[in-house]
Amino acid sequence: QSVLTQPPSASGTPGQRVTISCSGSSSNIGINTVNWYQQLPGTAPKLLIYSNNNRPSGVPDRFSGSKSGTSASLAISGLQSEDEADYYCVAWDDSLNGHVVFGGGTKLTVL
Amino acid sequence: QVQLQESGPGLVKPSETLSLTCTVSGGSISHYYWTWIRQPPGKGLEWIGYIYYSGSTNQNPSNYSPSLKSRLTISVDTSKNQFSLKMSSVTGADTAVYYCARGVGDSWLDTWGQGTLVTVSS
Repeated sequence: QSVLTQPPSASGTPGQRVTISCSGSSSNIGINTVNWYQQLPGTAPKLLIYSNNNRPSGVPDRFSGSKSGTSASLAISGLQSEDEADYYCVAWDDSLNGHVVFGGGTKLTVL
Repeated sequence: QVQLQESGPGLVKPSETLSLTCTVSGGSISHYYWTWIRQPPGKGLEWIGYIYYSGSTNQNPSNYSPSLKSRLTISVDTSKNQFSLKMSSVTGADTAVYYCARGVGDSWLDTWGQGTLVTVSS
């Protein structure tokens, strides 16, 4: 069971806007920044959003992140077929001398 | 552009030690969190730990997953631009694809290796 809670699945049709939630606690998201990773089928994960709401160079502005309290969200607008992937939220957790925690991942299906 | 490449045995026997190396090319090994993550078949990502190389041999803190800490050692070899993972007393539950990654921050991993599958079986 993951420390950060994500819905196991999400779906949308091309052009739609979808959001993926990530719920944590006061020891992780509540006081630390959140990063998001995209894992396309059969490939290594790729950094999608860093420090809550920043996109690395090359990531389309269709992807955006936000954080409020102990939760974070990833939004994808103008959904495209190539967005079909697994998405993970990650944060530092201050408990147990500090460690990194992952969400369980959300499988996004483009219908 | 920095690239990472994992290497090591693809098959390890139960109770033995898993050893993997990540070679860093195209960039400096200083001032980053050199991180290991794994992914059991069909499951999600799990953080293993990191070593932060400050550029000084005396200040390279490491941090490990609480659930794996007793079995782990992560080290860095600056002469070879590599960092390594050793996990002792492995079981079938340690079968996974193991990724190495470069961390700008503790959980801000901007570059990943392609991953290597390690199977624990007799």
